[in-house]
Amino acid sequence: QSVLTQPPSASGTPGQRVTISCSGSSSNIGSNYVFWYQHLPGTAPKLLIYRNNLRPSGVPDRFSGSKSGTSASLAISGLRSEDEADYYCAAWDDSLSGFWVFGGGTKLTVL
Amino acid sequence: QVQLVQSGAEVKKPGASVKVSCKASGYTFTSYDINWVRQATGQGLEWMGWVNPNSGNTGYAQKFQGRVTITRNTSISTAYMELSSLRSEDTAVYYCARGYSHDYWGQGTLVTVSS
Repeated sequence: QSVLTQPPSASGTPGQRVTISCSGSSSNIGSNYVFWYQHLPGTAPKLLIYRNNLRPSGVPDRFSGSKSGTSASLAISGLRSEDEADYYCAAWDDSLSGFWVFGGGTKLTVL
Repeated sequence: QVQLVQSGAEVKKPGASVKVSCKASGYTFTSYDINWVRQATGQGLEWMGWVNPNSGNTGYAQKFQGRVTITRNTSISTAYMELSSLRSEDTAVYYCARGYSHDYWGQGTLVTVSS
């Protein structure tokens, strides 16, 4: 069971906007930045969003992140077939001596 | 360009140890932590620990405490993750990732634990 909670699946049609939620607690999302990764089978995960809502260079502005309290969300607008992948949220957790926590992942299907 | 290149796939018997390497290039190795993250088949990403290449300081997930050792060799810009007392549940793809943002990842190393 992951410390951060994500829906196991999401779907949308091309051109639609989809959002993926990520729920945590005061020791992780509530007090630290949230990061989002895209993971295609057989490849390395790719950083999509860092520090809650910033995009690395090369990531399309169709991807956006937000955070409120102990929850965060990833929004993908203008959905494309190549967006079909697994998406993970992550945050540092201040419990114990500190550690990274990931969500369980959300499989996005483009119908 | 930044690259993290990992060692090749491994097959190990239960109870054995495995050591995976992660060679960094394209940036100053000592400027960013190296994290280790794994993904078991059909499962999500799981953080295992980190090393600060400059100081050698490490931090481990509680789940792996006592079984995992992360080290580095700054002369060859390489980080290592050694996992001992392997069991079948450790069969997974192991990744190294750079820095607080995990902004660059290695290609992954499949470790299969089977008798």
